[in-house]
Amino acid sequence: GQQLNQSPQSMFIQEGEDVSMNCTSSSIFNTWLWYKQDPGEGPVLLIALYKAGELTSNGRLTAQFGITRKDSFLNISASIPSDVGIYFCAGLRDNNAGNMLTFGGGTRLMVKP
Amino acid sequence: NAGVTQTPKFRVLKTGQSMTLLCAQDMNHEYMYWYRQDPGMGLRLIHYSVGEGTTAKGEVPDGYNVSRLKKQNFLLGLESAAPSQTSVYFCASSSGLELFFGPGTRLTVL
Repeated sequence: GQQLNQSPQSMFIQEGEDVSMNCTSSSIFNTWLWYKQDPGEGPVLLIALYKAGELTSNGRLTAQFGITRKDSFLNISASIPSDVGIYFCAGLRDNNAGNMLTFGGGTRLMVKP
Repeated sequence: NAGVTQTPKFRVLKTGQSMTLLCAQDMNHEYMYWYRQDPGMGLRLIHYSVGEGTTAKGEVPDGYNVSRLKKQNFLLGLESAAPSQTSVYFCASSSGLELFFGPGTRLTVL
């Protein structure tokens, strides 16, 4: 069943606002990844995190690998309309087990111009 | 490079019918995956393959079969479709941790 709890499930914000979303688990993950899915498309990788405590940025996006290895956070600064989509966190436990990822339920982001 | 392609894009089936979803990748990736996406459930792994001729069960394999006869292709079969299999199906491939997803197949089972 679902092992990654992602929140919030949806957000409706004004253009220019900052956004925060997070992902938590009762299990430890060795790698955390954040994907974005545009409407009608498959998910695309945004950021990958490989070490507990790691903070990584990709443009206006910043993600952190929690110290406990049981959570991760994604922040988007100064949102724009093209940020609309569903954001998924994903965790990887065993790097040698076919790279099978566990996905969170997603955060649907809507941006009002 | 086309990346990961899926056919068909849409399909409507009646309960009990069978069908095969085709996934093709031109990136020479070893790993290929089939996921289903349902509202609020994220992406759940159905089956995966770590190389040509190999397949393994994922989180929700029941009711599905797969085959990887060629490295570039990964087929997902539904032998007897059920309404619970109404979903959007995504294929993905990878050579490392970054998964490259196809555009998805929207399947409705009546």
